Amino acid sequence: AQTVTQSQPEMSVQEAETVTLSCTYDTSESDYYLFWYKQPPSRQMILVIRQEAYKQQNATENRFSVNFQKAAKSFSLKISDSQLGDAAMYFCAYSFESNFGNEKLTFGTGTRLTIIP
Amino acid sequence: GAVVSQHPSWVICKSGTSVKIECRSLDFQATTMFWYRQFPKQSLMLMATSNEGSKATYEQGVEKDKFLINHASLTLSTLTVTSAHPEDSSFYICSASWLPIRSYEQYFGPGTRLTVT
Repeated sequence: AQTVTQSQPEMSVQEAETVTLSCTYDTSESDYYLFWYKQPPSRQMILVIRQEAYKQQNATENRFSVNFQKAAKSFSLKISDSQLGDAAMYFCAYSFESNFGNEKLTFGTGTRLTIIP
Repeated sequence: GAVVSQHPSWVICKSGTSVKIECRSLDFQATTMFWYRQFPKQSLMLMATSNEGSKATYEQGVEKDKFLINHASLTLSTLTVTSAHPEDSSFYICSASWLPIRSYEQYFGPGTRLTVT
């Protein structure tokens, strides 16, 4: 069974600084997908960034980037120039596509990020 | 694009009654919809996966007769909590999957807060 582990329940960062959220996962699949979702106080899940396992290049979306280490099964999220609007719960998630079609997302336990003004 | 709505956003019901939550994909055809439950300060727990026109697949430990899921069309899935009790109070989130070529990605609704008194 696939598992996703986020070892940092809470993190805080000074506004405009950089913070890295950690995520490790376990899978026997060779082709899969990894995601970081953000859940602000509104509780709407927002996709921050996505990484396909077959791609060696780390995904980047503006101030958000990942460090994907496939051999180590590690998928960390770096937020640069942190802004007050980045304050939220961040969930790491894993999925894969099987012959049966759509597959479920497996979520980590989340990291609550606080931005200090 | 890829907007998912949920209705209602908040519902209060009396113990023993049933409540229905709707999940709609507004601008795409959702071949698969997922229902999650989230307790305060916890991660999302997948309850069931439903494909249009077929029976839902429930996760282990989820009572099928209590949480009825119907995916009658490619844009609508409903979750009915039957004979609700206070312990069913929670935040329920649905998500929808795009066409099979991008079935790994899920788009989330804004969630429904259920309070059973």
